Amino acid sequence: GAGVSQSPSNKVTEKGKDVELRCDPISGHTALYWYRQSLGQGLEFLIYFQGNSAPDKSGLPSDRFSAERTGGSVSTLTIQRTQQEDSAVYLCASSLRVLGGGSTDTQYFGPGTRLTVL
Amino acid sequence: AQRVTQPEKLLSVFKGAPVELKCNYSYSGSPELFWYVQYSRQRLQLLLRHISRESIKGFTADLNKGETSFHLKKPFAQEEDSAMYYCALSGHGILTGGGNKLTFGTGTQLKVEL
Repeated sequence: GAGVSQSPSNKVTEKGKDVELRCDPISGHTALYWYRQSLGQGLEFLIYFQGNSAPDKSGLPSDRFSAERTGGSVSTLTIQRTQQEDSAVYLCASSLRVLGGGSTDTQYFGPGTRLTVL
Repeated sequence: AQRVTQPEKLLSVFKGAPVELKCNYSYSGSPELFWYVQYSRQRLQLLLRHISRESIKGFTADLNKGETSFHLKKPFAQEEDSAMYYCALSGHGILTGGGNKLTFGTGTQLKVEL
């Protein structure tokens, strides 16, 4: 079946502009995650959604970053007033469910959106 | 706080040689450890997880709680093993409340030379 998809694959923007990044998770997956991959920084957790629960926003680096998930499926990550340090690859992942007290479900990653802020 | 350390940015080995990619972690609970791999021009994918105790593509990793390590090993490297490898941790401590988000190391680029 189809995997996680993200759009656009590449985005070049000017400093100060707002951008929206989209993620389509695997159908039926209730958990959705956003990570950021910066040069030399590895992967950094940003936010995650699980069903109808309040999202875990603990990884968002500033209030310029926000995300929403509509209808428990598609998610949009918005970065307002972009800065050059926001340049990175933004990865989305989804998993079937979050198991409380048990093992962690496998996260399936999308191809990423490469954001370049000039 | 949870942390994953991969001390080597780049590891270069010859084909047929043994491989060990190092990973150390810090976490005040009962973690789950994973290895993810990203081949050139492909998306990040799960390689193996410690609870499965299985060998994938000849790779194994044993969780050593005493040394807080989860090193990835393969006895004989193949050219197709060249990729970026990330160690990751998911916490399940009582105080975590953080669900299943992953904390990643900075990654090790493995290069297998002929």
